[in-house]
Amino acid sequence: DAGVTQSPTHLIKTRGQQVTLRCSPKSGHDTVSWYQQALGQGPQFIFQYYEEEERQRGNFPDRFSGHQFPNYSSELNVNALLLGDSALYLCASSLELRKLETEAFFGQGTRLTVV
Amino acid sequence: AQRVTQPEKLLSVFKGAPVELKCNYSYSGSPELFWYVQYSRQRLQLLLRHISRESIKGFTADLNKGETSFHLKKPFAQEEDSAMYYCALSDWNRDDKIIFGKGTRLHILP
Repeated sequence: DAGVTQSPTHLIKTRGQQVTLRCSPKSGHDTVSWYQQALGQGPQFIFQYYEEEERQRGNFPDRFSGHQFPNYSSELNVNALLLGDSALYLCASSLELRKLETEAFFGQGTRLTVV
Repeated sequence: AQRVTQPEKLLSVFKGAPVELKCNYSYSGSPELFWYVQYSRQRLQLLLRHISRESIKGFTADLNKGETSFHLKKPFAQEEDSAMYYCALSDWNRDDKIIFGKGTRLHILP
């Protein structure tokens, strides 16, 4: 089991562009959460997907959207990129029915640089 | 407001000396507290959670609800403990998001 995999690992985009980041959860996990980690900060919750629907959302604008597919993989889309969107984007997967007993597993992250 | 505070950005400790990484939280419900660790060039991973009351890699953390603290401790530091440590909380009864502190970089000196 490769654990949580994210692609791409690095990405450079121009201000105003759109970006899509991808995440494959750990085998057997059905819930995917996305976090933004700015330099020198801890990860900040963006949103969570379960059963192909956005279930929770943090304090992020509508420019941030996502999707979950039937195989539980997920995408994070960011429109109209701003310089401040430059960060490490982390995906975490977990198992809904056992969330009290199991942990969230994190991917290596996608480093997004907006220029 | 929900908040996790780690007052130290960097903590340098000599090998063999005791380690204490401080964490305070602000939350109105009954959160679960965690410590996550990120070793160099590795992904963020769970170190321990307060409900399990386990000692992992010699680390322990006790939840003090009166002081709203969850400090991470180890009696004798090892060089392989050098890493970034994040204190975090979640409230499974309310939502599934994990709230992280800003992290403390632990540097073990030889």
